[in-house]
Amino acid sequence: NAGVTQTPKFRVLKTGQSMTLLCAQDMNHEYMYWYRQDPGMGLRLIHYSVGEGTTAKGEVPDGYNVSRLKKQNFLLGLESAAPSQTSVYFCASRTGAGANVLTFGAGSRLTVL
Amino acid sequence: DQQVKQNSPSLSVQEGRISILNCDYTNSMFDYFLWYKKYPAEGPTFLISISSIKDKNEDGRFTVFLNKSAKHLSLHIVPSQPGDSAVYFCAAYNSGTYKYIFGTGTRLKVLA
Repeated sequence: NAGVTQTPKFRVLKTGQSMTLLCAQDMNHEYMYWYRQDPGMGLRLIHYSVGEGTTAKGEVPDGYNVSRLKKQNFLLGLESAAPSQTSVYFCASRTGAGANVLTFGAGSRLTVL
Repeated sequence: DQQVKQNSPSLSVQEGRISILNCDYTNSMFDYFLWYKKYPAEGPTFLISISSIKDKNEDGRFTVFLNKSAKHLSLHIVPSQPGDSAVYFCAAYNSGTYKYIFGTGTRLKVLA
C-alpha cells in the first residue's frame, strides 16, 4: 500500500516551459487536493477535486490547471512556468465519507529559473 | 485574507516540559480542525483532530483544545520529547466547500 505518490520528486524548469505533476493514490479516496508550500506562507490550496471528473479552485489557482480523469490520479499542470511558481507542491487525498483526515504525499520540489 | 493564523513562527521548549501551539481562525463555517506535523523533506502527517462540537480531544501525549467563541484552538504536547521537533500546521475544514485551509506553521524545537 503506497498511499499517495507524487512524481517527479524534483524538477527544474525554465521560465515559460510547461510541465505536469502527477499525484496517484491507491486508497480509493474520493477527494484529492493540491497545495504549495512556501516559506512563511504555510500550505496554500491550489485546486481540489471531490470526485472523478470534478475539479474546483482553491486559494491560489492562477497559473495552474488540473484534471481528474481517473479516480486514483490528480494532475497539476503549469502551462507557462514562472519563477513565482518555485515551490514545494504537496498532494493529499481522503475518503469521501467518515474521517476527515487528509493523507499527504512526500512532495515535489519545483524550481523555475 | 488569512483565515487560519499561527502567530508564533517558532517555539523552543525543554524536554519533558509542556509545548503549547496556538492557532486562530476567522471563518465560523469551519466545522473540523486538524493538526499536522511535518519533518524536513517529508509530507505532513496527521497528528490529532477535533470536531467543532467538542472542546477537547486527547490522544496520548497530545491534546487539542477548541474555544469556538474565541475562534481559537491549541495543541498541547506533554511531555515534550526531542523527536517532537518539527513544524506543526493547524488546518480548518469546511464541510460545505470541502476545503482544508492551513495555517503558516509553527516550528517547534524541543531541547534535550
